[in-house]
Amino acid sequence: NAGVTQTPKFQVLKTGQSMTLQCAQDMNHEYMSWYRQDPGMGLRLIHYSVGAGITDQGEVPNGYNVSRSTTEDFPLRLLSAAPSQTSVYFCASKTGVGTEAFFGQGTRLTVV
Amino acid sequence: AQSVTQLDSQVPVFEEAPVELRCNYSSSVSVYLFWYVQYPNQGLQLLLKYLSGSTLVESINGFEAEFNKSQTSFHLRKPSVHISDTAEYFCAVSGSGGSEKLVFGKGTKLTVNP
Repeated sequence: NAGVTQTPKFQVLKTGQSMTLQCAQDMNHEYMSWYRQDPGMGLRLIHYSVGAGITDQGEVPNGYNVSRSTTEDFPLRLLSAAPSQTSVYFCASKTGVGTEAFFGQGTRLTVV
Repeated sequence: AQSVTQLDSQVPVFEEAPVELRCNYSSSVSVYLFWYVQYPNQGLQLLLKYLSGSTLVESINGFEAEFNKSQTSFHLRKPSVHISDTAEYFCAVSGSGGSEKLVFGKGTKLTVNP
């Protein structure tokens, strides 16, 4: 099993560009989520999904969109990148409440 | 709403010394508690978790954490640390009101010096 796979690992964007961070899991987990990690801020929840077709906002959703058309995939879209979105992004999945979350290796995004 | 406070942002210790990383959570209902570890340039890995039952939980590499409901704490301890324990440690909570959202603290960077 590959677990949670994120692509790309590194990305540099110019202000105003758009892009999609990909996340795929092969564990048949219903729950998936996106976090951003910034120094001294821990991990902050951007968006999450409890199953295909169901998404909801987390703590810091502005500037990001998500969709969940399949159980396996949960892409994160930046519509118009801003320098404040420079961060490391992690995707995670788990089966349900109280279960272990499995994390991808992260995407390091720099917006110039 | 759930929240997690990790009281120390950085903890330097010498090898073979004991260490305690502190975590407090806020929730008025039953929750599930976790400690995750992040080694440099990697994703997060589960270290241990408390769901129910015994308030003392242990990991396979010598860490333990004790759930204290009255003090709303879930502190992480190890009696003797190794250089390889150098990493960032995150406390997390989920399950409040049936919520699946996993909320993290800001992390504690543990540095073990020779």
